[in-house]
Amino acid sequence: EVQLVESGGGLVQPGGSLRLSCAASGFTFSTFWMSWVRQAPGKGLEWVANVKPDGSEQYYVGSVKGRFTISRDNAKNSLYLQMDTLRAEDTAIYYCARDILQMRIDHFDHWGQGTLVTVSS
Amino acid sequence: QSVLTQPPSMSAAPGQRVTISCSGTSSNIGNNYVSWYQQYPGTAPKLLIYENNKRPSGIPDRFSGSKSGTSATLGITGLQTGDEADYYCGTWDSSLSGFVFGTGTKVTVL
Repeated sequence: EVQLVESGGGLVQPGGSLRLSCAASGFTFSTFWMSWVRQAPGKGLEWVANVKPDGSEQYYVGSVKGRFTISRDNAKNSLYLQMDTLRAEDTAIYYCARDILQMRIDHFDHWGQGTLVTVSS
Repeated sequence: QSVLTQPPSMSAAPGQRVTISCSGTSSNIGNNYVSWYQQYPGTAPKLLIYENNKRPSGIPDRFSGSKSGTSATLGITGLQTGDEADYYCGTWDSSLSGFVFGTGTKVTVL
């Protein structure tokens, strides 16, 4: 059974940093793209970033470029999101998702339960 | 700001059919496959439809997807109270080099 378990969320001040983790199990982690998707309170879904199976390529939504870094450790079956220079508008539940990405095809077939990040003074 | 447009809400009586539209452009829906997600309050989204019209294992055939040009549609037939949820479309956007979600549609069963 595929399982994705996020951790690392919490309360942080504006301008601060936080590192999210996602522990994956039940599938061959090193062969799948992985993504972070977030949802601000009462708002819709927003894709944040994804990373290639070998970690050599990453893509980001414009609003986090230069502030967030997605990475992975295939030996530990883990996905990470380093979030720096956090802003109030980054407040959201952050979901880890398995990303089925091929030519013209992209969708998220498994999701974690999410971890809440609150940016506030 | 979402680049895919959905109606904010839709409603119908039990047993009826609802269709949710998702409008995009040639850089997203027009040239890439569409997926749909169902989300209940306080829970993670779940994949409902992928590659325009395919259903993952366990998704009933009451749910269907289609695409035409730069628009996609999710259909739900035989509406049940358990279908009350938020629904999101999504696809890769080749111009943005990123995945984009629709604005979301809240379905209410009357």
